[in-house]
Amino acid sequence: QSVLTQPPSASGTPGQRVTISCSGSSSNIGSNSVYWYQQLPGTAPKLLIYRNNQRPSGVPDRFSGSKSGTSASLAISGLRSEDEADYYCAAWDNSLSGVFGTGTKVAVL
Amino acid sequence: EVQLLQSGAEVKKPGATVKISCKVSGYTFTDYYMHWLQQAPGKGLEWMGLVDPEDGEAIYAEKFQGRVTTTADTATDTAYMQLSSLRSEDTAIYYCATDRKSLGIVPPAYWGQGTLVTVSS
Repeated sequence: QSVLTQPPSASGTPGQRVTISCSGSSSNIGSNSVYWYQQLPGTAPKLLIYRNNQRPSGVPDRFSGSKSGTSASLAISGLRSEDEADYYCAAWDNSLSGVFGTGTKVAVL
Repeated sequence: EVQLLQSGAEVKKPGATVKISCKVSGYTFTDYYMHWLQQAPGKGLEWMGLVDPEDGEAIYAEKFQGRVTTTADTATDTAYMQLSSLRSEDTAIYYCATDRKSLGIVPPAYWGQGTLVTVSS
C-alpha cells in the first residue's frame, strides 16, 4: 500500500501553475531524496524529478521539485494540455522498501 | 541508450505462478539494480522488490514476501520476476525498472513497457 500521501486530483487552465504535494515520514522523505514521475495514459511512468529538485535531460524547466522536512512538492508552471497525466512521488524508506505516493491526476481545463 | 524489454501478456488461473522476463540493453547489466513494480487497474504504483544482478541478492516488500522471487541471468542480461499463489488481486501491469548502483538504492529512472498479468478462473 502507498505510504506517501498525495491529493487525488489537481487542475488548472493552460498557462497556470499547478502544485502537487507529497507527504511522508521521517523514515522516507525525511531521510532520503524524493523522485517524481509522470504517467501518461497507457504508458510506463517517466522520471520527471530526481534528488528532490533535479531534472533529467529533456524534461522542460516548467517542472520543478522541492522538499522540506517530511513533505515534498511538484510544481508545473505554464500548464499545457500535454501535461494531463497522473503524477507520483517516490522515495526509498529506511525499512528497506521503496515507497510511492497515492498519485495525483492533473487535468487541464 | 538504456532499454528494458519485457515479455508479453499472461493469463493465469488462481493459485498458479507467473514468471515475467525483462531483457536489458545499452548498459552493463551488473552495474544497475533491477526493481519490480505492480500497478493494478486504475490504481497507483507499488514497489515489489529489487535484485542486484551482480550477486543475486534481493530485497522484497513485506506485502509480497514469500510469494515473489526476483532473479537475474548475467549470461543473457535478463532479469526475472516470479509471483506465486496468484489471486485475482494480482491482476495488474508489472514493470521492471532500473538505475545505477552507484546512486545507492533510489527510485529507478529507466522503465520497461510493462507486462499485463490477468488472473482469472
